[in-house]
Amino acid sequence: AQSVTQPDIHITVSEGASLELRCNYSYGATPYLFWYVQSPGQGLQLLLKYFSGDTLVQGIKGFEAEFKRSQSSFNLRKPSVHWSDAAEYFCAVGYSGYSTLTFGKGTMLLVSP
Amino acid sequence: GAGVSQSPSNKVTEKGKDVELRCDPISGHTALYWYRQSLGQGLEFLIYFQGNSAPDKSGLPSDRFSAERTGGSVSTLTIQRTQQEDSAVYLCASSASTGFSSNQPQHFGDGTRLSIL
Repeated sequence: AQSVTQPDIHITVSEGASLELRCNYSYGATPYLFWYVQSPGQGLQLLLKYFSGDTLVQGIKGFEAEFKRSQSSFNLRKPSVHWSDAAEYFCAVGYSGYSTLTFGKGTMLLVSP
Repeated sequence: GAGVSQSPSNKVTEKGKDVELRCDPISGHTALYWYRQSLGQGLEFLIYFQGNSAPDKSGLPSDRFSAERTGGSVSTLTIQRTQQEDSAVYLCASSASTGFSSNQPQHFGDGTRLSIL
């Protein structure tokens, strides 16, 4: 069965510092990969997605993610974090032949001044 | 509107009552999903509708939960005889997925926060 692991429940980063949120998926087929962000009281907003091609994908709000097949990973990065980035981040995976996505449990990002 | 709309945004009800939650997907999206998000738990898949096909109900936690989608558009999630453990945020999402692949992103509403007293 498909699963997504986000090993960090909480991460605290200083404003202006770089950020990397980890995501690992388990399944052999070629995945479709997504990162979503959820601010308090809001739904999930799509940050970026990977389907095929260039393994480094750019998203909104200055985020990027890199697909590494050998590591079954799709880590989210941002070179300089802003206080407004404080939110919960979810990684999700989908596959051809499957209609639904599998979500990780999320990583809560806290930004310190 | 341009996005997924859910109503009500908040619902407080007494244990044992029935509740109905509504989702209005993005126009033209054939796929509609319901999720439950409990504190610190991430997203729990509940049910999936694709066009006129029979829904995938594999995530519904009990027979107190049901959902329908009328005319391929608006969906209603119904919880009968609510229990305190039903307290959660219920999120709806829609996508342009054809059902043969999950390569289309899902677009989420802001959710309904359900509190059972």
